[in-house]
Amino acid sequence: SQQGEEDPQALSIQEGENATMNCSYKTSINNLQWYRQNSGRGLVHLILIRSNEREKHSGRLRVTLDTSKKSSSLLITASRAADTASYFCATVLPLNAGNMLTFGGGTRLMVKP
Amino acid sequence: GAVVSQHPSRVICKSGTSVKIECRSLDFQATTMFWYRQFPKQSLMLMATSNEGSKATYEQGVEKDKFLINHASLTLSTLTVTSAHPEDSSFYICSARRDRDGNQPQHFGDGTRLSIL
Repeated sequence: SQQGEEDPQALSIQEGENATMNCSYKTSINNLQWYRQNSGRGLVHLILIRSNEREKHSGRLRVTLDTSKKSSSLLITASRAADTASYFCATVLPLNAGNMLTFGGGTRLMVKP
Repeated sequence: GAVVSQHPSRVICKSGTSVKIECRSLDFQATTMFWYRQFPKQSLMLMATSNEGSKATYEQGVEKDKFLINHASLTLSTLTVTSAHPEDSSFYICSARRDRDGNQPQHFGDGTRLSIL
């Protein structure tokens, strides 16, 4: 079964608006990562946040992590049409408990020009 | 940046054919490589993890005799779909990582769309 569940499954917004995607997971983690996938392409790594971190920024991206609630969010500010893609969260379990990425179901984001 | 090249990008072949997909890390040494399968509008399903020089670890339900994985060097892993059938049609994606522990991000190839007629 999937470790992460994402919410919403699909999101449609206008260019310039902010987009927020949420991810919940079930077990303790070593780190959580967000990836982006354009249609028919591979995944691009966006941000990695470790279990002892609460927030990270990268350009227009902001990721938060709440380990007490086992949840994370990805905020894209001032969205652009080029941000249209699927966004996946993925978790890595603590060391010695498996070190592969386990992906959530993804959020399909559409940004209308 | 870290670049992963996956080849070919698209394969169309007849049922019963074996298909080999290559995954190369172009500018870094990949201690660990992964193979995923993705169905339309779904998430990635991990098929197997391979560490250089050792046998691949397959996920439950993945037939190791059907999906042969070789990770012969720190920059190359191959996935061979043996005697492919229409139900093997899918989008296959590889990824590579510098470390074994999962503290580094994975870098993905652009995927291979496999269509078995």
